[in-house]
Amino acid sequence: GQSLEQPSEVTAVEGAIVQINCTYQTSGFYGLSWYQQHDGGAPTFLSYNALDGLEETGRFSSFLSRSDSYGYLLLQELQMKDSASYFCAVRDGRAGGATNKLIFGTGTLLAVQP
Amino acid sequence: SAVISQKPSRDICQRGTSLTIQCQVDSQVTMMFWYRQQPGQSLTLIATANQGSEATYESGFVIDKFPISRPNLTFSTLTVSNMSPEDSSIYLCSVVRRDSYNEQFFGPGTRLTVL
Repeated sequence: GQSLEQPSEVTAVEGAIVQINCTYQTSGFYGLSWYQQHDGGAPTFLSYNALDGLEETGRFSSFLSRSDSYGYLLLQELQMKDSASYFCAVRDGRAGGATNKLIFGTGTLLAVQP
Repeated sequence: SAVISQKPSRDICQRGTSLTIQCQVDSQVTMMFWYRQQPGQSLTLIATANQGSEATYESGFVIDKFPISRPNLTFSTLTVSNMSPEDSSIYLCSVVRRDSYNEQFFGPGTRLTVL
């Protein structure tokens, strides 16, 4: 089967750094994405890693290790508005190339406290 | 980004009935998808909506239950047929744009409650 595992909940304080891990086991893999979803809102794209290493976008960074089937999202200088659910998602791929199908992880609820 | 609207935003339906959800995008996109998300849970892909042809369904989802249309590049519908309380969920459409191939844009969702 296909699975993407994340911690269910993470709590941190404003200004801190938090890391949300994602381990995946999928039949196809072309890249790892991260999405943020506020309560009652639509998921919004944060980052995408196709290759091993770290991608930085402002306060958010994302890391991928394809050999370990592992990635993480790093959030720095946490703000109250970062309280949301965070999902990793594998972009499905086959021998013929990438698809745009996403397989979502279990999701991590981040609570930022003052 | 892409501006995506869904109608209705929410509905309460009786079991055995059907509901059609519309997804409209403000610009031409390459791909459109339909997802289901139960409150507090992750997103599950239902199908890829193909323009002018039958949708491609994921394992566990069938056309008789979730018929999908995509008559053009900017519009798609998902019908939830013969509903039961287990169909209560949030249904989201998403799109991929030509100029942003690694990113999916999601609609605001349709919150469906089946009594």
